Amino acid sequence: AQKVTQAQTEISVVEKEDVTLDCVYETRDTTYYLFWYKQPPSGELVFLIRRNSFDEQNEISGRYSWNFQKSTSSFNFTITASQVVDSAVYFCALRRTNYGGSQGNLIFGKGTKLSVKP
Amino acid sequence: DAEITQSPRHKITETGRQVTLACHQTWNHNNMFWYRQDLGHGLRLIHYSYGVHDTNKGEVSDGYSVSRSNTEDLPLTLESAASSQTSVYFCASSSPGNTEAFFGQGTRLTVV
Repeated sequence: AQKVTQAQTEISVVEKEDVTLDCVYETRDTTYYLFWYKQPPSGELVFLIRRNSFDEQNEISGRYSWNFQKSTSSFNFTITASQVVDSAVYFCALRRTNYGGSQGNLIFGKGTKLSVKP
Repeated sequence: DAEITQSPRHKITETGRQVTLACHQTWNHNNMFWYRQDLGHGLRLIHYSYGVHDTNKGEVSDGYSVSRSNTEDLPLTLESAASSQTSVYFCASSSPGNTEAFFGQGTRLTVV
């Protein structure tokens, strides 16, 4: 069975603090993709990053960074120097790479609501 | 620019009525998906399609149906709306292969 766990339901920080959102996944597949999406208060889902299971290199994009560790089945997301505009619900998701059955769809965690206070 | 649009954005309906939510994409993607988002559950898959005339059930398909008569559209039908189907519905599309899914803006459905 495939599963994504985001244990942090809500996080509140003060602006300029660093914050890490945790994501732990379960899958028996050897190849898969991991995703992070942002859902701001306006409600749309915004794609942030996709990571192949073969690529464990960490990635940095501006204030955002992602730490992928297959050994612990984790794909954590860090926001450095948080800003009020980072306030949103963040979803981690998992997808297989092969087709057949229910493969191809995303399996989402329940999301982490981040509140950044000025 | 290519896009994926959902309509209506908001709808209120009565219990027992049939409701259809529209999803239209201009990406020419083969894969289309419907999810519902509920507090405490994240997004859960309702139905999906890998191409014209192909439809499949997802995790929470009871009470819902879809049809795929062309590449661009995957309408979601609630056969007899129930209060438990009050939710925010998202449509998504992706191309075959390992790309990200593009999501519509969502439809907030209230069943009273």
